[in-house]
Amino acid sequence: NAGVTQTPKFRILKIGQSMTLQCTQDMNHNYMYWYRQDPGMGLKLIYYSVGAGITDKGEVPNGYNVSRSTTEDFPLRLELAAPSQTSVYFCASSSPVAGSSNNSPLHFGNGTRLTVT
Amino acid sequence: GDSVTQMEGPVTLSEEAFLTINCTYTATGYPSLFWYVQYPGEGLQLLLKATKADDKGSNKGFEATYRKETTSFHLEKGSVQVSDSAVYFCALRKTYNQGGKLIFGQGTELSVKP
Repeated sequence: NAGVTQTPKFRILKIGQSMTLQCTQDMNHNYMYWYRQDPGMGLKLIYYSVGAGITDKGEVPNGYNVSRSTTEDFPLRLELAAPSQTSVYFCASSSPVAGSSNNSPLHFGNGTRLTVT
Repeated sequence: GDSVTQMEGPVTLSEEAFLTINCTYTATGYPSLFWYVQYPGEGLQLLLKATKADDKGSNKGFEATYRKETTSFHLEKGSVQVSDSAVYFCALRKTYNQGGKLIFGQGTELSVKP
């Protein structure tokens, strides 16, 4: 019963390097999300997807890219890492309930702690 | 736009004390409201939810009531334990807003001392 799995747990990048944060879920959820968490700021939405092949920007998409080729996977790509991207990244998924999707809770992974120096 | 505001932390309590964490929201329409808890080094877990006005969500001794007249969803627990030490997030969700994303408050850190 894995739920939402994120890898890696920790990563240190140098400025200008690139990396992909992996996220996979085994609950057959349509909706998937990437959030970043900064101290005292709550969580901000980076990108989201409502199904395979469909992605869209959230509140803070600059510097990131995503893809959704399968229902299970939703990787987040950082192309040119910057110190401002030092954060904890959370992937989440949910399934819409028939007639209304706002009742369904989001299920979160354990996060990836990224430091850019 | 829609937003959630929580009382600032950290909140420090003694074991068996009464807990209230205030949460107010601004939103059009009829959002669902949630409380999530984050233990150290872990992701967020759903604690409780309420989907319409006057609903009460409850779980593990925690309760919160959806008050539309005061746009509030305050979290309460009658007797906290050391194991309740965590960060608590209030959040709202609307179906038609960016894939039903959750909009979070800034989080309130709770520390319970024995």
